Amino acid sequence: GQQLNQSPQSMFIQEGEDVSMNCTSSSIFNTWLWYKQDPGEGPVLLIALYKAGELTSNGRLTAQFGITRKDSFLNISASIPSDVGIYFCAGSYTGTASKLTFGTGTRLQVTL
Amino acid sequence: GAVVSQHPSWVICKSGTSVKIECRSLDFQATTMFWYRQFPKQSLMLMATSNEGSKATYEQGVEKDKFLINHASLTLSTLTVTSAHPEDSSFYICSATRTYNEQFFGPGTRLTVL
Repeated sequence: GQQLNQSPQSMFIQEGEDVSMNCTSSSIFNTWLWYKQDPGEGPVLLIALYKAGELTSNGRLTAQFGITRKDSFLNISASIPSDVGIYFCAGSYTGTASKLTFGTGTRLQVTL
Repeated sequence: GAVVSQHPSWVICKSGTSVKIECRSLDFQATTMFWYRQFPKQSLMLMATSNEGSKATYEQGVEKDKFLINHASLTLSTLTVTSAHPEDSSFYICSATRTYNEQFFGPGTRLTVL
C-alpha cells in the first residue's frame, strides 16, 4: 500500500534542542495527523490538522498542514528525554476517524 | 475516556495453529474499527476496516481467508489469524472510531509464531 515519506529517518539530539521533521506524499490528503509511538505500544495522537496552511500547536509541539496538501511538518521545541520515540505522520482523505495512511516514521533519540 | 484495549498483549503459538486477538472500546461505542500490522522497525500498514454487523473491507494484498475479522458488537472486533506461520509474526494494532474526527488506538498485540 501507499506510504508517506518522512525525513529524517532518525535523529539524535541533545536535550533542549529543537527538532523538525517532515512528511511528504505523492497524493493530496484532507487531514494530516501526527502520532508518537513508544516501544511495544500503540500510537498516540499528538496533533490533527484539517485545513491547508493550518498551523497548530500542542504544548511544545507545532505542526503545519502544507498548502499543497501533500506535506506536513512537525516541530518540537526544547526537547526533553521523554520525547524519545517514533513519530509518525498519517494522512486521511476524509477525517481522523477514517482509514489512515501512515508515514515511514522518524525515530528520535534525546541525549542528556 | 476513549480507551481501546487489546487482548492478549502478546501471544506465542506453533505454526499451523489459529490465534484470536480481541479489540474492545471500553467506554464508548465504536462505529468503525481498523486493524493494522506493524513489522519491526516499520510503519503501520492498514489490513482491514471493520464495521459492526457487516463484512470487513480488506486492503489489497491482505488475505481475507487468513485474517478473519468479526465485528460482533459496537465495542468488540476480533482478528483471527488462521493457520499462522512464522511470517505472520508481527505487532497487530487495532483502532476504534468514536465520532467523525476521533480515532483511538489500542496498545497492540505481539504475535510470535514458532
